[in-house]
Amino acid sequence: ELKVEQNPLFLSMQEGKNYTIYCNYSTTSDRLYWYRQDPGKSLESLFVLLSNGAVKQEGRLMASLDTKARLSTLHITAAVHDLSATYFCAVDSGAGSYQLTFGKGTKLSVIP
Amino acid sequence: EAQVTQNPRYLITVTGKKLTVTCSQNMNHEYMSWYRQDPGLGLRQIYYSMNVEVTDKGDVPEGYKVSRKEKRNFPLILESPSPNQTSLYFCASSSFTLGPQETQYFGPGTRLLVL
Repeated sequence: ELKVEQNPLFLSMQEGKNYTIYCNYSTTSDRLYWYRQDPGKSLESLFVLLSNGAVKQEGRLMASLDTKARLSTLHITAAVHDLSATYFCAVDSGAGSYQLTFGKGTKLSVIP
Repeated sequence: EAQVTQNPRYLITVTGKKLTVTCSQNMNHEYMSWYRQDPGLGLRQIYYSMNVEVTDKGDVPEGYKVSRKEKRNFPLILESPSPNQTSLYFCASSSFTLGPQETQYFGPGTRLLVL
């Protein structure tokens, strides 16, 4: 059974600071996804990571994937209040299956 | 406009009364999926479909049924709802044909309360 663990689950940080959210998963997988959810809203896709060493960046967010360590990171650079949201990683079960398992999410609050 | 729509958006029902939540996408996506979101548990996949007439179980399929008779529609059926199915439900879709750009598009959500 695939398990996906995110940490921290809650993160309060000041504007301008850097921080990293971690996503560990328990079995070999082909794909890892990051999503953002604003309070009371639906989910928005941020990144799709498909191979070992993949790195993608969008604005102040950068995601990377280490398939050997079964670890993905979402790095936040110089946080701004608009980044306050809950961030989820999700991993597919591999072998061509598209069954997705999500982490519990990291609720990020950026304080002015 | 590319979108995933769900209906209804809010629903209050009673135990045992069959209901269907509809999901439709206008992007000609092959893949569609249903999730439920519960506080402290994150999102859990209920069922997914790789294409018409192809469906498979996710992590929490018990008490749910799905069908995929048309590419654009993927309804979620609760034949005998119970209070533990009170949750926020999301439908999502994505394309396989875009290669690495397999972004999932999520619907707005359906908030279900089973009394």
